[in-house]
Order: sequence, then structure tokens, then C-alpha cells
Amino acid sequence: DQQVKQNSPSLSVQEGRISILNCDYTNSMFDYFLWYKKYPAEGPTFLISISSIKDKNEDGRFTVFLNKSAKHLSLHIVPSQPGDSAVYFCAASYGGATNKLIFGTGTLLAVQP
Amino acid sequence: DTGVSQDPRHKITKRGQNVTFRCDPISEHNRLYWYRQTLGQGPEFLTYFQNEAQLEKSRLLSDRFSAERPKGSFSTLEIQRTEQGDSAMYLCASSPDDDGYTFGSGTRLTVV
Repeated sequence: DQQVKQNSPSLSVQEGRISILNCDYTNSMFDYFLWYKKYPAEGPTFLISISSIKDKNEDGRFTVFLNKSAKHLSLHIVPSQPGDSAVYFCAASYGGATNKLIFGTGTLLAVQP
Repeated sequence: DTGVSQDPRHKITKRGQNVTFRCDPISEHNRLYWYRQTLGQGPEFLTYFQNEAQLEKSRLLSDRFSAERPKGSFSTLEIQRTEQGDSAMYLCASSPDDDGYTFGSGTRLTVV
């Protein structure tokens, strides 16, 4: 049972344009959501998070939007840069950032120069 | 402190052998986690320690798997009688009580 789903295995975007990565979840008990970025042969690196009491969180070029009624979140990267090319994982937890994380299957983002 | 350290980075073993991985967390982090990632999947939770206490274990952690954190510092993950299905990236992460995870670079296990 895949509780966190990333339905797009890959995404290609031109440098300078917006990248939008999507994530859906099924468990309404999740109250904390995170995005991680992963380069080959490295561990995931934390990007940005959002609590279920918010619907938007912004950090520089990265913004995460949460739609609880649709059980959907998205990560916007503006402007996209070639260094953003990586696999992006959505993750969810109940009880905050230090609890067990349930990850999606990832989306490979390729930013073309 | 250079972050979460995992050793070895790569391990190739024959089916049926035992393997042990080590994780050194960030020194002030009380919590330590093990995850497993297979090709095309996201990381899957295996187990979690608060100091030296193992507080949660996934049903993915069969009887052949054991994890320890004897003094609340480093942790080891042992797999006995390895099977080809154990081939994966094993990720360790640590966190303080009130903030998010830092992952290590992982140990890639190949069972031949």
C-alpha cells in the first residue's frame, strides 16, 4: 500500500523556467510533509517542509504548497537551475519532523541549460 | 563534525554470508534511523533509536536483521544469511529531538 505517491517518474524543464513536482498521499493522519533532493551515490538532502496547519511554505527559490482536502502537495522551483537536476522525494510523517518518514518513489528532474 | 558517516560505502557479499554496517551519527543527535532504498523506490523505514533504546522496528526488519546502538552513539546493522533480495542502499540518518533528519551517504550492498 503506497501511502505517498509521486506519479511522475521524470520531469524535464528549461533553465530559468518553473519546475513543479507533485505528490499525493492517502493517509489523513499525516501532519508533516517534507521534500528531499538526492544526487547519485549520496544520501537524501532536506530541502523544505510544511506542517499540516499551513498551506504554503517558502524558502528562497523553493515553495511547497499543501492542499489537505485533495491530499496533495507540490514543490515549485523558480527559477530552475541546472544544479537542481536530481531525484526529488516527497515524504510524510505523523507527529513531526523527527518521526518515521514515509517516502514516495521519487521524480527525476532534469533542468536543461 | 562532518555529518552522518556510514561505513563501508560499498559491500559485495556472497549469498548466505553475514554483513555488518556501521553508522556514526552527528554527535549531539539523540535519534538514529535506518532506512533501506531499492532501485526505483523511495527509502523505506527499518528501525529507529532514541539514545540506546530501539523504539520502533518495521515489519521489513526480518529475524535475519538486527540493529544495535550500544552506548547511544554509533549504530550497527547486521544482516545474517544474506539473500539476493537484501541488495539495496542502506541509509542511516540522525536528528536532534526537535529538528529534522540528516542522512548519511549510505552503504550499497550487493548480494551475489
